[in-house]
Amino acid sequence: LAKTTQPISMDSYEGQEVNITCSHNNIATNDYITWYQQFPSQGPRFIIQGYKTKVTNEVASLFIPADRKSSTLSLPRVSLSDTAVYYCLVGDTGGYNKLIFGAGTRLAVHP
Amino acid sequence: DADVTQTPRNRITKTGKRIMLECSQTKGHDRMYWYRQDPGLGLRLIYYSFDVKDINKGEISDGYSVSRQAQAKFSLSLESAIPNQTALYFCATSRASRGTGGKPPYNEQFFGPGTRLTVL
Repeated sequence: LAKTTQPISMDSYEGQEVNITCSHNNIATNDYITWYQQFPSQGPRFIIQGYKTKVTNEVASLFIPADRKSSTLSLPRVSLSDTAVYYCLVGDTGGYNKLIFGAGTRLAVHP
Repeated sequence: DADVTQTPRNRITKTGKRIMLECSQTKGHDRMYWYRQDPGLGLRLIYYSFDVKDINKGEISDGYSVSRQAQAKFSLSLESAIPNQTALYFCATSRASRGTGGKPPYNEQFFGPGTRLTVL
């Protein structure tokens, strides 16, 4: 299973763009890259998922370079409600979809 | 109503007691999972089930057992609770599907609200 490395914490201010980078040097051909968001005392929530290149949805963008050894989650114009822990996961697919969570990145958005 | 529910939401028990945490889902998903989360850490997989007849151990299954009573129900049991099992427990579900466009299959996991368990 591919291991991921991401910053332990980040700080930002309302209205700024936040980019969280994740390293996954041992990513396998069949692995997806997925990001989840978790608020205190709640279960994680799916944000975005990609395989290669760029993916964008109504919440975030995910940038994946050609070698797929890293990825960057981009949150445009963050607000206080984006304060949460963000997990980068590389899925063990093979049809089994097990998720391995690391410690995540604790994002604090300040007024 | 929530798609994935967990009961109880909070539980305090004593060392040596048997505890069962229950998870129910109305999403019609085949796959269900149990995770635990310790303070400041990510989630760790305890058990997972791909259908009623398929149960698999995760990273940290020692001290736990599970039962998949139906497609919609997946219970986690602590046969003899110990203090280091104090944690936040999450149930999750996902669909099973085939890959498309040459890509492998992948399915989003949907998490319940969690059960906070304290073992004294």
